Amino acid sequence: GNSVTQMEGPVTLSEEAFLTINCTYTATGYPSLFWYVQYPGEGLQLLLKATKADDKGSNKGFEATYRKETTSFHLEKGSVQVSDSAVYFCALNEGGGKLIFGQGTELSVKP
Amino acid sequence: DTEVTQTPKHLVMGMTNKKSLKCEQHMGHRAMYWYKQKAKKPPELMFVYSYEKLSINESVPSRFSPECPNSSLLNLHLHALQPEDSALYLCASSQALTRGLAGDNEQFFGPGTRLTVL
Repeated sequence: GNSVTQMEGPVTLSEEAFLTINCTYTATGYPSLFWYVQYPGEGLQLLLKATKADDKGSNKGFEATYRKETTSFHLEKGSVQVSDSAVYFCALNEGGGKLIFGQGTELSVKP
Repeated sequence: DTEVTQTPKHLVMGMTNKKSLKCEQHMGHRAMYWYKQKAKKPPELMFVYSYEKLSINESVPSRFSPECPNSSLLNLHLHALQPEDSALYLCASSQALTRGLAGDNEQFFGPGTRLTVL
């Protein structure tokens, strides 16, 4: 079946450090891919998405590129801020309303 | 308006109580979802409604009963819950259901209801 694997957290970084959160997927076709972010005490917010191979999604300084060859969708940001502290979920669209989520990666950014 | 609202924000109930969670969206979306989320875990899909009809029930116990009165509203009726049902309950909506993997199933989430069952 389809699945998403994320790097385990928690990840702790200093402010202005470079961030990478790895995400790989297994799917029978070419699913749309998403990164959602969940700030403490809140629901999930869509951070960025890519719907086909080689697409790059970007938002708020975050980027991720849909890599078909490596079945990956790694999240990157050049300089993190304390306000980026949150849990990040990678997800793929399985169709029919179903999103397959990764386990989530907790990011903590220290000043 | 790109917001999904949920009420109440917090709910504490006993195992014999009956309560309801409410969700509303005014984005013209035709698909609505209920998820259950435990702390720092991914959301688990419970129910999906498409055009006000139940499309997916992920083998959820009957003590959870969904209802979609119209295209903007989604309710979750709770009865005889167990302490292990304590969780964050999230509502989401999307434009419509996609058939295959490649569709853009962008879901908009509400802030959730934090449920505690005593």
